[in-house]
Amino acid sequence: GNSVTQMEGPVTLSEEAFLTINCTYTATGYPSLFWYVQYPGEGLQLLLKATKADDKGSNKGFEATYRKETTSFHLEKGSVQVSDSAVYFCALSDQNQAGTALIFGKGTTLSVSS
Amino acid sequence: KAGVTQTPRYLIKTRGQQVTLSCSPISGHRSVSWYQQTPGQGLQFLFEYFSETQRNKGNFPGRFSGRQFSNSRSEMNVSTLELGDSALYLCASSLDSGLATGTQYFGPGTRLLVL
Repeated sequence: GNSVTQMEGPVTLSEEAFLTINCTYTATGYPSLFWYVQYPGEGLQLLLKATKADDKGSNKGFEATYRKETTSFHLEKGSVQVSDSAVYFCALSDQNQAGTALIFGKGTTLSVSS
Repeated sequence: KAGVTQTPRYLIKTRGQQVTLSCSPISGHRSVSWYQQTPGQGLQFLFEYFSETQRNKGNFPGRFSGRQFSNSRSEMNVSTLELGDSALYLCASSLDSGLATGTQYFGPGTRLLVL
C-alpha cells in the first residue's frame, strides 16, 4: 500500500542554519504531496504542497520539490528561526474511487536554538 | 473566514463509556475527514464524509463511527472506550473530496484521555 517515510528526529539546529528533512514515498498512481507543521498544543497547518512531478511547493521560506524519479519530497529552508521549532509531517494523498485520505509520515521534530 | 473548529478541546472518560466529538468545517467546505494521532501510531485516517455520505474509511474497528449533517458539520462517536483510544482526534475539512484540487485544513483537535 501507499506509505510515507520521514527521517527520524529530533533535528536540533542553531538559528540561521540550513534545514533539510528527508521524505520519501511509495504510491501507485500520481499522488499529491504535502508538508504539514504542528506547533505544540495545536492542530496541523498546511505548510506547502505539490500536485505533480517537478512541482515546487514553497511557503515562509520553506521549499520542497516533487521528485518522481526518486520518489522524494524533501523539505528545505535556507535559514531557520527559533519560531520554526515544531513537528513536521510529510503526507501524500491516497485517492481512490471512494474518496481521499492523507497518509502521513511519523513526523520529524525540529528544535532551533538561538 | 473562520477555521475548522472542534469541540470539546479536552475530554476525560473511563473505559467502557462512549464519547461524541464535534467538528465544524470551514464555511463552504463539504468534505470532512477525521484522524487519530497517537505517539505510537502517528496520524491515522479514520473516515471521510462528503455531502452527508461516508466516502472513505480507514482501518479502525466498528466502535468508531461518524456522521455528517446537512450543514456539513460532523460528529464522530467512539463506543465502549478502551485505554488505547486515548489520543488527539483531528478533524480536517476541504472544499471537495478531491485532493488534487483541494487541500485539507485541520482543526486544533480534541484530546481524549481514557482512564
